[in-house]
Parts: sequence; C-alpha cells; structure tokens
Amino acid sequence: GQNIDQPTEMTATEGAIVQINCTYQTSGFNGLFWYQQHAGEAPTFLSYNVLDGLEEKGRFSSFLSRSKGYSYLLLKELQMKDSASYLCAAMDSNYQLIWGAGTKLIIKP
Amino acid sequence: NAGVTQTPKFRVLKTGQSMTLLCAQDMNHEYMYWYRQDPGMGLRLIHYSVGEGTTAKGEVPDGYNVSRLKKQNFLLGLESAAPSQTSVYFCASGGVSGANVLTFGAGSRLTVL
Repeated sequence: GQNIDQPTEMTATEGAIVQINCTYQTSGFNGLFWYQQHAGEAPTFLSYNVLDGLEEKGRFSSFLSRSKGYSYLLLKELQMKDSASYLCAAMDSNYQLIWGAGTKLIIKP
Repeated sequence: NAGVTQTPKFRVLKTGQSMTLLCAQDMNHEYMYWYRQDPGMGLRLIHYSVGEGTTAKGEVPDGYNVSRLKKQNFLLGLESAAPSQTSVYFCASGGVSGANVLTFGAGSRLTVL
C-alpha cells in the first residue's frame, strides 16, 4: 500500500534549527511536496523535490533521497510565525498526491 | 486575484439533509480537487477533475457527488449527510502538468448532527 510517515508533533526554540522528517512508500514516484498549514487556514506550498539532493529557499530547505524513500524539511532561524503544521505529500505514478498526517511544530520563545 | 474561493465557510446540517459546497478559481487551472481533512489524518481526496466536464473518484468518494460544468467551478454535493461527513473540506486547483503546485481554498467546516 501507499503510505507517508512523519512525526505528529515537534517542539523547537525561537532562533534554532529544526528538521522534520518524512518517509514515503508509493506506487511509482513523481516528486515530494512540502506544504505549510497554519491552524484554521489552508495549506500553502513550500517546496517540491523530484531529484535527489537539497533545495534551498531562504530559511527553508528540503532534501530528498529517492533510494531511501526519505525527505526532510529544514527550518533555520526559527520564528514564532513558523508555528504551524507541515504536510509532506508524495506524488505517485498516476500523479496523485499521497498526504501525510502532518507534523505540528510548536515554537517556544 | 482571488485564487480559490470556497463557499460556505461554515455549515451545520442535520443527518439526512443535503447541501452543496462551491469552489471557484480564477487562475484558469485545468485540475481541481476536493479533499477532506480530519484530525490525525492526512488530506484525503474525495473527487477530482482534470478539465471542464470531467470528474473522477478519489480515495473516499462514497456519499459525495461532484460536477464541473464550467472550468472555473467545481461543486461538491452531499445528498444525504451523515455524522461521518463532519470534517473540514478543502478545494484545490492546479495547472496542466501532473506535477503541479496546488492552490487551496480557505476551507469549509461542515458539522453534521
């Protein structure tokens, strides 16, 4: 079956760095997405990886290892506004997205 | 540029009642999706459309119907609401490529008593 695993909740300190991991099992693979979702709001796109390696975008970076079925989202210089849920989603061979349950990130001052 | 607009934002129904959720996008996207989001679970695809006049079933289609009569609109209907359909519903749209970024609406919170 198809499955996405990511931690349910993580806590970090303002100004620090946090890494949110995601492992996936899909029928075929056409890329890995990360979305951010603040409480009560819609998910918004953060990053897309389809090739192995690290993609950096400001304070946020995303890494993919296709051979390991693994990705992580790295958030640097954490700010209070980064408190949100982070959704990992893998695209299968039919271009359908398989979503993880999300990781709730709590930032403490 | 409004993006993706969902109406209504909140609705309370009694078991057995029917209702329609409306999604409208102004980005000329071909692909449109309806998801539901429940606590502790990932977004689950209900139905989707790859273009005007087309619809297809997703992961959890039972109890729902959809229509895409115009490219910019995607309607989700509940013919006979059940408490199990209490959820937050998100509409999303994307471009012509399969590997496309989705733009989500703000969500519709539905409670079925």
